[in-house]
Amino acid sequence: DAEITQSPRHKITETGRQVTLACHQTWNHNNMFWYRQDLGHGLRLIHYSYGVQDTNKGEVSDGYSVSRSNTEDLPLTLESAASSQTSVYFCASSESVADTDTQYFGPGTRLTVL
Amino acid sequence: AQSVTQLGSHVSVSEGALVLLRCNYSSSVPPYLFWYVQYPNQGLQLLLKYTSAATLVKGINGFEAEFKKSETSFHLTKPSAHMRDAAEYFCAVRAGGKLQFGAGTQVVVTP
Repeated sequence: DAEITQSPRHKITETGRQVTLACHQTWNHNNMFWYRQDLGHGLRLIHYSYGVQDTNKGEVSDGYSVSRSNTEDLPLTLESAASSQTSVYFCASSESVADTDTQYFGPGTRLTVL
Repeated sequence: AQSVTQLGSHVSVSEGALVLLRCNYSSSVPPYLFWYVQYPNQGLQLLLKYTSAATLVKGINGFEAEFKKSETSFHLTKPSAHMRDAAEYFCAVRAGGKLQFGAGTQVVVTP
């Protein structure tokens, strides 16, 4: 079955370190998204991609970057981790950009920045 | 711009009782609305979505939601709560290709 996976599932790092969170989907979807989930805020969009070599900033993109070199993967990099980036991160994908299309979510990565 | 507001961050229901989770939206264009459920330590799973085909939408696990344009609402209901319904529920609106989520409602089911 097609799926979307994230790794690691849990990560503890120190302030100032570079961290990369992996997202891999086997749906062959063109569109991929990264969200962070914080209490009282729901999920907020960090970055998204509509295809290979395409990346776009979302609502809370400061301090994060993504690159899309193939259809299956969209890694999220925290250039210099800050305590404010402690959160749960979710990757999602969808087949099309149509507003009716469903986004499918990965299991999440819990990141703690000390 | 579009947004959703979920009324109540926590809801407690008895097993067998009605589940009602409230969601109001704001959108400058016709909205497409979604309800997702998140079980503990898992990702989000689609419950149902409104795509303008019908105002009453039936989803998985016995949930349904009714789109009311006059009230700008998309409330989620289930006639009889089960213990397995304990989870966090998110309402979301999509326009311009991006999802905007509400803050979520945590549902606790008591025996």
